Amino acid sequence: DAGVIQSPRHEVTEMGQEVTLRCKPISGHDYLFWYRQTMMRGLELLIYFNNNVPIDDSGMPEDRFSAKMPNASFSTLKIQPSEPRDSAVYFCASSSLAHFWTGSNTGELFFGEGSRLTVL
Amino acid sequence: KQEVTQIPAALSVPEGENLVLNCSFTDSAIYNLQWFRQDPGKGLTSLLLIQSSQREQTSGRLNASLDKSSGRSTLYIAASQPGDSATYLCAVKVGRGTYKYIFGTGTRLKVLA
Repeated sequence: DAGVIQSPRHEVTEMGQEVTLRCKPISGHDYLFWYRQTMMRGLELLIYFNNNVPIDDSGMPEDRFSAKMPNASFSTLKIQPSEPRDSAVYFCASSSLAHFWTGSNTGELFFGEGSRLTVL
Repeated sequence: KQEVTQIPAALSVPEGENLVLNCSFTDSAIYNLQWFRQDPGKGLTSLLLIQSSQREQTSGRLNASLDKSSGRSTLYIAASQPGDSATYLCAVKVGRGTYKYIFGTGTRLKVLA
């Protein structure tokens, strides 16, 4: 498997513009997470999905942020309008609990390479 | 509310030294604990995953232990090498109906040749 794939790797935009970040989770994983990483706040969970359904979006900073997962292999995180304080690295991660009852290692979290966003 | 702390924030050691990184968490009701490595400008790479029922996991020169009762995990790195230089983060997966992973702020390790 190619792992978690994110695009774009780098995005530079101007304040007020719409930004869309994309993620393809590992095939077969039923959990998808969006994190934001900054020097000041470390890694923050923004939202996570289970079987394409948003479960907890309490970490989404404000209404300018939205996330969707239209199918099991694709998710987007959108910021509209973007602001300079949104500059950060945004990570997508996926995980699976499918084998919980067999006792095999489950719940391991796998990250993408991240999307570095700079808002001028 | 689960809080995860990593001490020290930064560590510099000579090559060949054995070292221990610490991770503390406030709520012992965790599902698992995972250690990651992050190189500058890169994503997080999973190193070791310890389920709540386990006490330790080993992979090569790495050994991670888990003591839920005391809210602690340690990552032991044997015979450190310059290539081990990176930031190491621990994350706990909280239980009780939620599947959030709470991350520590990391330990930035530099191994000097």
